[in-house]
Amino acid sequence: AQTVTQSQPEMSVQEAETVTLSCTYDTSESNYYLFWYKQPPSRQMILVIRQEAYKQQNATENRFSVNFQKAAKSFSLKISDSQLGDTAMYFCAFINYGGSQGNLIFGKGTKLSVKP
Amino acid sequence: NAGVTQTPKFQVLKTGQSMTLQCAQDMNHEYMSWYRQDPGMGLRLIHYSVGAGITDQGEVPNGYNVSRSTTEDFPLRLLSAAPSQTSVYFCASQPGQASKAFFGQGTRLTVV
Repeated sequence: AQTVTQSQPEMSVQEAETVTLSCTYDTSESNYYLFWYKQPPSRQMILVIRQEAYKQQNATENRFSVNFQKAAKSFSLKISDSQLGDTAMYFCAFINYGGSQGNLIFGKGTKLSVKP
Repeated sequence: NAGVTQTPKFQVLKTGQSMTLQCAQDMNHEYMSWYRQDPGMGLRLIHYSVGAGITDQGEVPNGYNVSRSTTEDFPLRLLSAAPSQTSVYFCASQPGQASKAFFGQGTRLTVV
């Protein structure tokens, strides 16, 4: 079975500090993409960052970066210089490609609170 | 710049009623899908479509029907609403199999 596990249901961080959200996944495929999505209280799903599994280099997007460990099937998200607007649910997800199905498989989410 | 449009945003149904959640995208994406989001459960796939005329079941399809007569539209039908279908529903579209997904704003459905 293909699964995504986010072991931290809730986290909090002080404004301007750094926080890391954990994610592990399980798939027997070798070709896939990994994603982190942010869902603020507005309910909109916003793509934060994407990582191609075949790339060894970790993806970065401004204050957001990932630590991708393919052998360990781990994909953590680091948020630097946390801002109040980062308060949201964060979902880790992946898509296999190369076969006939290309649907996102999500973790259960981590609720992040950034405190002033 | 519409993207993915879902209607309605909120809906209250009585048990046993039927309704259709609408989803339309203007990006000419082949892949479309429906998810439901429940507290502590993340997003779970209900149905998906890889193109007009082609649909398939996801993880939690029971109680829902879909059809895809055009590339743009992918409605989700609740046949006989049950309280267990109280949830937030998201429609998504993707330009390709492993591409970034574009999400609608979601529909909060309450079945009483």
